[in-house]
Amino acid sequence: DIVMTQSPDSMAVSLGERATINCKSSQSVLHSSNNKNRLAWYQQKPGQPPKLLISWASTRESGVPERFSGSGSGTDFTLAISSLQAEDVADYYCQQYYITPITFGQGTRLEIK
Amino acid sequence: EVQLVESGGGLVQPGGSLRLSCAASGFTFSSHWMHWVRQAPGKGLVWVSRLNDDGTRTSYADFVRGRFTISRDNAKNTLYLQMNSLRADDTAVYYCAKYYCSGGDCYGYMDAWGKGTTVTVSS
Repeated sequence: DIVMTQSPDSMAVSLGERATINCKSSQSVLHSSNNKNRLAWYQQKPGQPPKLLISWASTRESGVPERFSGSGSGTDFTLAISSLQAEDVADYYCQQYYITPITFGQGTRLEIK
Repeated sequence: EVQLVESGGGLVQPGGSLRLSCAASGFTFSSHWMHWVRQAPGKGLVWVSRLNDDGTRTSYADFVRGRFTISRDNAKNTLYLQMNSLRADDTAVYYCAKYYCSGGDCYGYMDAWGKGTTVTVSS
């Protein structure tokens, strides 16, 4: 199984500041069929289901604010929020879809400092 | 608008069974692979199972293999999860989620989720 490890487990960032969450996979999720990384990011607010933010490591979903960006390749990935807003308080998860079993990171809780 | 609505959760004793349903609308259900994902109270997301579009190819997490069965009825636009031999550690919110599919290709990220149904296993 591919193990996904996020860091940090939790973080507090001031409004307007940059937040960065890291995700590391135990093996590469770069798929040779299309040379794309099979890595997604989700946001989950309290009491709500997860929401897809980013697919293919860096493709922002329609309607997701531009302050969210994804980067990385192979085994190391980053979700960045360029200027933290109050509504960004949530848990964030990375997920690999390179192979089943599909696996998620343990989550990162983002709060306001 | 894509909608996924789970039902069938509830309180069940250890060793018991439940069948979850996920009613889909707003997209061509019969063309999409589907997932079940669960989240124990206060914990993270855990993938449970997935099923291809015609119901012939399944995959399960090790911890449910042999106890849970995923299936679908494309005529009813509904996904199911039959859960047998339930244990206390199966207590969770169970979400159904839709694969992203385009042009006949499906990729395992989840572009739509239901609100979930709660399963509690306790005596």
